[in-house]
Amino acid sequence: GENVEQHPSTLSVQEGDSAVIKCTYSDSASNYFPWYKQELGKRPQLIIDIRSNVGEKKDQRIAVTLNKTAKHFSLHITETQPEDSAVYFCAAKGGANNLFFGTGTRLTVIP
Amino acid sequence: KAGVTQTPRYLIKTRGQQVTLSCSPISGHRSVSWYQQTPGQGLQFLFEYFSETQRNKGNFPGRFSGRQFSNSRSEMNVSTLELGDSALYLCASSVLLDQTQYFGPGTRLLVL
Repeated sequence: GENVEQHPSTLSVQEGDSAVIKCTYSDSASNYFPWYKQELGKRPQLIIDIRSNVGEKKDQRIAVTLNKTAKHFSLHITETQPEDSAVYFCAAKGGANNLFFGTGTRLTVIP
Repeated sequence: KAGVTQTPRYLIKTRGQQVTLSCSPISGHRSVSWYQQTPGQGLQFLFEYFSETQRNKGNFPGRFSGRQFSNSRSEMNVSTLELGDSALYLCASSVLLDQTQYFGPGTRLLVL
């Protein structure tokens, strides 16, 4: 089955700086890559997703890049704000049609 | 549209008991997936239902089962509860298979 690895597990940045979280996947059949943000005690919220026919997607301060050849994808958050502090999960969905999640990155934005 | 809802939100059970959790998808969504979230194992896929049929199953023992009704609402059942079943159980719905999934708030299960 699919194996998704996510790094780093924790990340601290100063407010206004950028944050980058990286994920790799193993199944070349995977074709959908969402990112979820989970605040303490709350449900995972989809923040951005990308399909394998696209290399990059941007939504305001958030962007995701995908390198199918290397089987890795990354989340980029620019101009970070304290409310960006949360746990971020990457995921991959392939032939099996279910999501495989990374282990999460706890992002702390220091005011 | 109302989001995905799950009931109950919190549950305390003892070892050996069984439990049934409920998930109501977003109106119009026909696919429901279930996940278990624990600090040690992260988010793990349990099963996925579409049109009342289980389409996919994760690597969990047979004590974990589920079903989907004609209105797309889904239930999952865990029999003979073990301490290790303590977790946040999340369901997610999507319009169809292979579409964006939206999560419910989860049911936090504590097994004593």
